[in-house]
Amino acid sequence: AQTVTQSQPEMSVQEAETVTLSCTYDTSESDYYLFWYKQPPSRQMILVIRQEAYKQQNATENRFSVNFQKAAKSFSLKISDSQLGDAAMYFCAYRSSFGNEKLTFGTGTRLTIIP
Amino acid sequence: DGGITQSPKYLFRKEGQNVTLSCEQNLNHDAMYWYRQDPGQGLRLIYYSQIVNDFQKGDIAEGYSVSREKKESFPLTVTSAQKNPTAFYLCASSIPLGGGRGDTQYFGPGTRLTVL
Repeated sequence: AQTVTQSQPEMSVQEAETVTLSCTYDTSESDYYLFWYKQPPSRQMILVIRQEAYKQQNATENRFSVNFQKAAKSFSLKISDSQLGDAAMYFCAYRSSFGNEKLTFGTGTRLTIIP
Repeated sequence: DGGITQSPKYLFRKEGQNVTLSCEQNLNHDAMYWYRQDPGQGLRLIYYSQIVNDFQKGDIAEGYSVSREKKESFPLTVTSAQKNPTAFYLCASSIPLGGGRGDTQYFGPGTRLTVL
């Protein structure tokens, strides 16, 4: 079974600075998908970014980018120019290319933005 | 507007009672999912349905039941057999399976269930 580990329960960053959230995963599959979701205080899960494992190029979405290291099974999220609205829980998730499309989530990292 | 709605936002239940959580989507998605979130944990899959009139158990299905009579609706019933039902419940949907592409799951706003 796949597992996802987020080793940083909490992180903080000064407004306008850059922060990197870590995620590692364990799988025996070669084709899969990785996601970062944001959960603000409203508790709705919002997709931040997704990465397809067969693509070597790292995904980017405006101020959000990932560092995908397939051999190391690492999938970190970098947030540039941090804004107060970025404060939230961030969850890393794994999805197999086969089977029921279940998302396997990590335990999350709480990000605080310091004004 | 297209999206996923869940109702109610807050739900209180007495021990021994069944309760049903609603999930509706107008995104024309075939697949729908129910997840449970507990403090300090990520989401865990309860049930999922890839097509109308079909559904499968997820990792923590005991004490829960679902139905999928319409494409737009996937209600979750929390039965009295669920030993620790107090949690935050999230519904999600995605476009159809096909070729193993990475179809993204979109989430509703969630329902907070508290057992009194």
